Amino acid sequence: SQTIHQWPATLVQPVGSPLSLECTVEGTSNPNLYWYRQAAGRGLQLLFYSVGIGQISSEVPQNLSASRPQDRQFILSSKKLLLSDSGFYLCAWSLSVPDTQYFGPGTRLTVL
Amino acid sequence: GNSVTQMEGPVTLSEEAFLTINCTYTATGYPSLFWYVQYPGEGLQLLLKATKADDKGSNKGFEATYRKETTSFHLEKGSVQVSDSAVYFCALSEAGGSEKLVFGKGTKLTVNP
Repeated sequence: SQTIHQWPATLVQPVGSPLSLECTVEGTSNPNLYWYRQAAGRGLQLLFYSVGIGQISSEVPQNLSASRPQDRQFILSSKKLLLSDSGFYLCAWSLSVPDTQYFGPGTRLTVL
Repeated sequence: GNSVTQMEGPVTLSEEAFLTINCTYTATGYPSLFWYVQYPGEGLQLLLKATKADDKGSNKGFEATYRKETTSFHLEKGSVQVSDSAVYFCALSEAGGSEKLVFGKGTKLTVNP
């Protein structure tokens, strides 16, 4: 069966520091991968999605970036965090389009 | 563009009460429709889905019917439990090759014993 992992589970970072969040999927090949952010009191915002290695689509201009160095690995990064980057970051995968997306457990990021 | 509108929360019910969470959508073509549930501190889990008009998705006592004529996908459960307390998200999958899900803002449900 397929599983999706995210780490770290929680993170507290100062403003201006770098960020790296990692997501990996097991038990499947060539998944579509997604990064979402859920800010306090808001819905889900799609940040990036990827249909293959090295292929990244950005939904919202911001100081975040994403990379997919391996088939089942998706990384969310920032060079300098802002206060507004605080939130709950969710990674998800799907196999086909349109299809159900399966979510990881999330990373709670607090920027102070 | 495509969008999903769901009823504002929070919703507070007593155990064994009937639940309805309204969801309407705007979309071109024929999207698939989903309900996801998020328990406190966790990621989202798929609750149910429907891929074409008049389909009924069901799981764990929850049901929703894809109504093309009213562009709705309301979530219902006949008798809620305390363990159903969570945030519920309605979503649609854009047709035409897009990989994206469009989510509603979520409805927080609290069930009291």
